[in-house]
Amino acid sequence: DVKVTQSSRYLVKRTGEKVFLECVQDMDHENMFWYRQDPGLGLRLIYFSYDVKMKEKGDIPEGYSVSREKKERFSLILESASTNQTSMYLCASTPGTYEQYFGPGTRLTVT
Amino acid sequence: AQSVTQLDSQVPVFEEAPVELRCNYSSSVSVYLFWYVQYPNQGLQLLLKYLSGSTLVKGINGFEAEFNKSQTSFHLRKPSVHISDTAEYFCAVRRTDSWGKLQFGAGTQVVVTP
Repeated sequence: DVKVTQSSRYLVKRTGEKVFLECVQDMDHENMFWYRQDPGLGLRLIYFSYDVKMKEKGDIPEGYSVSREKKERFSLILESASTNQTSMYLCASTPGTYEQYFGPGTRLTVT
Repeated sequence: AQSVTQLDSQVPVFEEAPVELRCNYSSSVSVYLFWYVQYPNQGLQLLLKYLSGSTLVKGINGFEAEFNKSQTSFHLRKPSVHISDTAEYFCAVRRTDSWGKLQFGAGTQVVVTP
């Protein structure tokens, strides 16, 4: 069965902290994605990766960076968290066909 | 660039009644179309997809959607809803010449009441 896991379901951080969100997939998928989900805005793509050490900016990359050192793991990094980064963060992966498989999400609150 | 418009942010519906969720898109190139569902406190899962062929697509849990190219629409329907269909529904498009990037609509919250 397909499995995408995210390191935390809920996270509370302070303004200015460096935050790491981890995503792991066990399906040997090449492509991985980070989205943020906000009410009324749907899902917006932050970054994606189509191979190990390869990454591309999505629609809203400002304030974020990513790391993909191994095929199964894709990390989202908030270099200096701000309150406007309070959101739900969703990771997804795909083998390059049609369906994206999503993790359960991390609800991040920055105070 | 593509854009996706979900015309209703919230749809209240009674149990066993039909429901239709509307989705319109714009794109200068051919697209694939998807509907995803998000149950409370969960990630998204695929309900159905249109890639080519028959414009009426059947998905899981009794949902179906119809692709209308002339109206650039991909509306989702279910003839009789259950309480368990309470969820948020997202329409998404993907360029046929790209390998994975999805453009999502803002979502429609469906609330089913007895």
